[in-house]
Amino acid sequence: GIQVEQSPPDLILQEGANSTLRCNFSDSVNNLQWFHQNPWGQLINLFYIPSGTKQNGRLSATTVATERYSLLYISSSQTTDSGVYFCAGRPAGGTSYGKLTFGQGTILTVHP
Amino acid sequence: GAGVSQTPSNKVTEKGKYVELRCDPISGHTALYWYRQSLGQGPEFLIYFQGTGAADDSGLPNDRFFAVRPEGSVSTLKIQRTERGDSAVYLCASSLGGGTRYYNEQFFGPGTRLTVL
Repeated sequence: GIQVEQSPPDLILQEGANSTLRCNFSDSVNNLQWFHQNPWGQLINLFYIPSGTKQNGRLSATTVATERYSLLYISSSQTTDSGVYFCAGRPAGGTSYGKLTFGQGTILTVHP
Repeated sequence: GAGVSQTPSNKVTEKGKYVELRCDPISGHTALYWYRQSLGQGPEFLIYFQGTGAADDSGLPNDRFFAVRPEGSVSTLKIQRTERGDSAVYLCASSLGGGTRYYNEQFFGPGTRLTVL
């Protein structure tokens, strides 16, 4: 199966700072998604972004499918942004039509 | 509208017992997925249903694990002869469709935390 590598594994910020999280895939993926897992364990959908760039408020994401990576940008971070950020993708080939493969996550802590 | 719901939210059982975990997908979603998340890890795929049938069960760890979706809506994950290593959060997700040609953004439920003593 594909391998998903996220960096950095941990990130500590002061409120108001900007950050970039990266996700690399070992092979071509589609249905690429970014999630935020809050302290209660709920996975919240941030972006569905197989390619291109999307923005939603202070968050934006870019996926370069041909180079097998995706970036998540957080601007003007707030304490409520704290939690674990996951990227996940589905292999573009083969028969794994449903299977999302997740990275290990980036643990973000935003201090006031 | 209602999201994916899972019951129970917490389940504590003893080694060797049988457990059932339930998932109610978003109304109208034909695809349903089960994942398992251990502490400090990302979710790992278990099984995927398209309608009533299991389209991919390659992630089920062994034959103690079984899942059904008899009417194409609610799904039940069944674990026989539970072991301490089965302790994890079991997550359910659903999507509008499931094929390679279709937009199938997955939406997750809150999970069931299973603890095997």
